[in-house]
Parts: sequence; structure tokens; C-alpha cells
Amino acid sequence: GENVEQHPSTLSVQEGDSAVIKCTYSDSASNYFPWYKQELGKGPQLIIDIRSNVGEKKDQRIAVTLNKTAKHFSLHITETQPEDSAVYFCAASIGSGTSGTYKYIFGTGTRLKVLA
Amino acid sequence: SQTIHQWPATLVQPVGSPLSLECTVEGTSNPNLYWYRQAAGRGLQLLFYSVGIGQISSEVPQNLSASRPQDRQFILSSKKLLLSDSGFYLCAWSVWGRRETQYFGPGTRLLVL
Repeated sequence: GENVEQHPSTLSVQEGDSAVIKCTYSDSASNYFPWYKQELGKGPQLIIDIRSNVGEKKDQRIAVTLNKTAKHFSLHITETQPEDSAVYFCAASIGSGTSGTYKYIFGTGTRLKVLA
Repeated sequence: SQTIHQWPATLVQPVGSPLSLECTVEGTSNPNLYWYRQAAGRGLQLLFYSVGIGQISSEVPQNLSASRPQDRQFILSSKKLLLSDSGFYLCAWSVWGRRETQYFGPGTRLLVL
């Protein structure tokens, strides 16, 4: 079945350093890849997404890259700040838009700690 | 703008008791609606999704059921809770057919004792 692997499971970085989280997906038909940030006790919040016709997307300190051939996509956070500490989830879309809905397969999450 | 509400925020229930969690979405029509469960320290597992009133698709066999009595209302239920039903339940919505982005609610933390 479809699967998304996410690494690392935990990541500690010094404030100001960069953080990289990597995901690999199995379904070659996946064409949409969102990233969510989840703070303790809250619902996940979308922080950035990328579609399969784009190789890279950037939003201020956050960027996502996609390699469709290798079925890899990664989240890059530069100049990390303590408020970036949270659990980050990647996801890959599955399912048919012709049915009106899309489903996601989520990675298992990365707990990012930014040390002041 | 669109908002999604879930209640209650926290719930402690004895084993064998019934369950009803509610999710409502404001500011959009005919959304896709989703129920996820998140075990402590784990990822998100899709339980149910709905593309319209009365249309429910189940992803995994379990002790839970879902209903969509109104366009923007999604309910997660159980007749008899099990210990294994404990977790963080998240509702999400997306625009029907046009965009893939799912937006999550604040979640309900359920503890079954």
C-alpha cells in the first residue's frame, strides 16, 4: 500500500542554524505534498506545500524541495528560532480528484527542538 | 474566511460508554470532511472522510462510526468505547474537487478509563 517515510524522528538544532526534514513517498501518482506544523495540544497547521509540477518553493525562512524521480521531498528551515520548536509532518496526496476528494498519507512526524 | 470548530476540547469517558464528537465548518459550502486519530507521539491515521451529506467512507475497521447530517457538520460516534479509543481526534476540511489542502481543527483529546 501507499507509504510515506519521514526522517529524522527527532532533531535538535542551535538557534540560528538550519533544519532539514526528509520524506519519501511510494505512490508515483501523488501530486501534492503539504507540510504541517503541530504545537503541543493543537491541531496541525499548514506551513507550506508543493505540487508535482514544481521543484522548489520558498516562503521566507521555509522552503520545500521535490524530486519526483526519486520520490523525495524535503522541508528546509533556515535561521531557526525557538518558536519553530514543534512536531512537523509531511504528507503525500493519494486518491482521485475526479471523485471530488483527496486523501493524504502522513509521515510519522519529526520533533524539532531549537535550542536557545 | 473559513473556520473549523471541534468540541469538546477534552473528554474523559469510562470504558463501555457512548461517544459523540462534533465538528463544524464555517465560511464554505460542500466541503470534504475528514476524521483523523492521532495516538500519543504518533502520526495521523485517517478514520473517515465525506464528500457530501450522508456520504461516509471508512478507512479502517473499528469501533467508531461517522455521520454527516448537515453540509458542514461531521460527527464521530461510538456505542461502546474501548481503552484503545483513547487519543487525539482531529477533524479537517478541504474544498471539494478543486484544491487538495486540508485544514485541521483544534482537536479533541479523548481519554478512556
